[in-house]
Amino acid sequence: AQSVTQLGSHVSVSEGALVLLRCNYSSSVPPYLFWYVQYPNQGLQLLLKYTSAATLVKGINGFEAEFKKSETSFHLTKPSAHMSDAAEYFCAVNKGYGNKLVFGAGTILRVKS
Amino acid sequence: GAVVSQHPSWVICKSGTSVKIECRSLDFQATTMFWYRQFPKQSLMLMATSNEGSKATYEQGVEKDKFLINHASLTLSTLTVTSAHPEDSSFYICSARGTGGFETQYFGPGTRLLVL
Repeated sequence: AQSVTQLGSHVSVSEGALVLLRCNYSSSVPPYLFWYVQYPNQGLQLLLKYTSAATLVKGINGFEAEFKKSETSFHLTKPSAHMSDAAEYFCAVNKGYGNKLVFGAGTILRVKS
Repeated sequence: GAVVSQHPSWVICKSGTSVKIECRSLDFQATTMFWYRQFPKQSLMLMATSNEGSKATYEQGVEKDKFLINHASLTLSTLTVTSAHPEDSSFYICSARGTGGFETQYFGPGTRLLVL
């Protein structure tokens, strides 16, 4: 079965600092992995996805994530945090077409000025 | 591209009434739509998967007679909460997966339901 673990329910960084949100997955087959962002009272917006092509995936708003099979990780990073990045971030895994998304518990990112 | 809308964005209803929530894919055809429920400060819980023209597949523990799902066209799925009770109050989010780029789900903005 697929599962996702997000380490740290809350992460706080200063504006301009590196953002690192951790995600580890468990999958019996090569996974498709996703990062979504959710702003308060809104739906989820796709940041980026890994679908077995390049292991370093670039997404929107300056975010990127690297798929590391040996570590079963898909951590999300951004070199310089902006106040507008404050939101909740969800990592998700999908076995592939026709299979459901399994979400992590989410990480709330706080950006301090 | 890949825009999904939901209507209404929020609804307040009395206990015992039914509420219908619409999910539309605006610029693509969605062969599959998903319905999620999200409680405050929690992750999304998949309720059901609906495929156009066929019956929805419900996750374990989700009452199919209470949460009626219809996916009548490639751009519209509806979730009806029947005989709503206060414990049904939640944030309901739909997502849609298209016929191309099929592994990606695009999410609607969500519907906040409050049952009094």
